[in-house]
Amino acid sequence: KAGVTQTPRYLIKTRGQQVTLSCSPISGHRSVSWYQQTPGQGLQFLFEYFSETQRNKGNFPGRFSGRQFSNSRSEMNVSTLELGDSALYLCASSLEGVSGTEAFFGQGTRLTVV
Amino acid sequence: QKEVEQNSGPLSVPEGAIASLNCTYSDRGSQSFFWYRQYSGKSPELIMSIYSNGDKEDGRFTAQLNKASQYVSLLIRDSQPSDSATYLCAFSPGRSSASKIIFGSGTRLSIRP
Repeated sequence: KAGVTQTPRYLIKTRGQQVTLSCSPISGHRSVSWYQQTPGQGLQFLFEYFSETQRNKGNFPGRFSGRQFSNSRSEMNVSTLELGDSALYLCASSLEGVSGTEAFFGQGTRLTVV
Repeated sequence: QKEVEQNSGPLSVPEGAIASLNCTYSDRGSQSFFWYRQYSGKSPELIMSIYSNGDKEDGRFTAQLNKASQYVSLLIRDSQPSDSATYLCAFSPGRSSASKIIFGSGTRLSIRP
């Protein structure tokens, strides 16, 4: 069974640009969550989508947005990039139901803003 | 108060010994608890989940949960150099909803040969 796939793995962008990151969850998983990881702040929750609906959102500015498609694939967009947005962006997928809330991470997208 | 508190380490343990990692959390309503392992430059990998008070064993790993004390721990028996990593404690408020998982800042574990 394929794991969570994130593309691209690495990105270099300039301040002010926007970026879109993609995540394909494990087959059958309908929940996709996004996290930002930085050395100073650790792993911080961005938002979670389930069946194309955003169910929960973390404390990030409106420049961070996302969406989920009918096949459960998800995209995350960051507009007007700032230097502080440089981070590892991780996507996690979960299967709802008796398995509880176990979340499995993709390899991440390393974003560098210059 | 942080939602999840972990000692950042580094925790140095000799090969073959038991490594003990501890974590406290602030949300008394938390239902699901997890331990993730993260190697440098890699993404977190789920190694244990626990939902009920008591111990849960999986191979060399044992997770312990005490909801009354809001405390969760991870024991690694027969520690190996490959166990050297950062261990992230995490919890989720609901059992049936994956809507949000809160992570601690992690404990760096180093297994010395």
